[in-house]
Amino acid sequence: SYDLTQPPSVSVSPGQTATISCSGDKLGDKYASWYQQKPGQSPVLVIYQDNKRPSGIPERFSGSNSGNTATLTISGTQAMDEADYYCQAWDSSAIFGGGTKLTVL
Amino acid sequence: QVHLQESGPGLVKPSETLSLTCTVSDGSITNYYWSWIRQPPGKGLEWIGYIYHSGSTNYNPSLKSRVTISVDTSKNQISLKLSSVTAADTAVYYCARETPTVTRFFDYWGQGTLVTVSS
Repeated sequence: SYDLTQPPSVSVSPGQTATISCSGDKLGDKYASWYQQKPGQSPVLVIYQDNKRPSGIPERFSGSNSGNTATLTISGTQAMDEADYYCQAWDSSAIFGGGTKLTVL
Repeated sequence: QVHLQESGPGLVKPSETLSLTCTVSDGSITNYYWSWIRQPPGKGLEWIGYIYHSGSTNYNPSLKSRVTISVDTSKNQISLKLSSVTAADTAVYYCARETPTVTRFFDYWGQGTLVTVSS
């Protein structure tokens, strides 16, 4: 079965850049999406098609996908960005990464 | 914008069948894939399966033997049945919409409903 691997946690200082990785075999040949989930809330799509932002998602969120790794980058991280982030791609099924807890210190 | 609302029993006994409904409002159910996704307490997301408005389905192989997803286009509802449940099926269950493009992503999610499996 296809797996996506994310670091369990990432810490960043306010105003700095946070990067969250998602690795999978030839992930760059697939499309990656990213979801933000705050405590007690449903996931929210923040990046789709590797690097596109849905309407209403701040420009500080960006994405890339090449080789075996997709990356979510949050520039000028704000306290409100503290959340769990999940990458997702399709194989024969929808696959989610295990999630990364972003802490803004 | 489209709104998804899950509903169903919050408590199910072991070995019984979990049944949930997702009602879609302010949007058509047609021309989209509709998925069920679950999240055990404190854990990550797991895709259960999807249905297209035409009725075609695709299920997670790990759950396929126990899952049935159906659609009622007249009521704008998608249903989930998961049989022979155990405590491991305790989770928040979400329904989510997916636009049938090559890129494939979940753009709208319901608020989720917690289902606890316990006697």
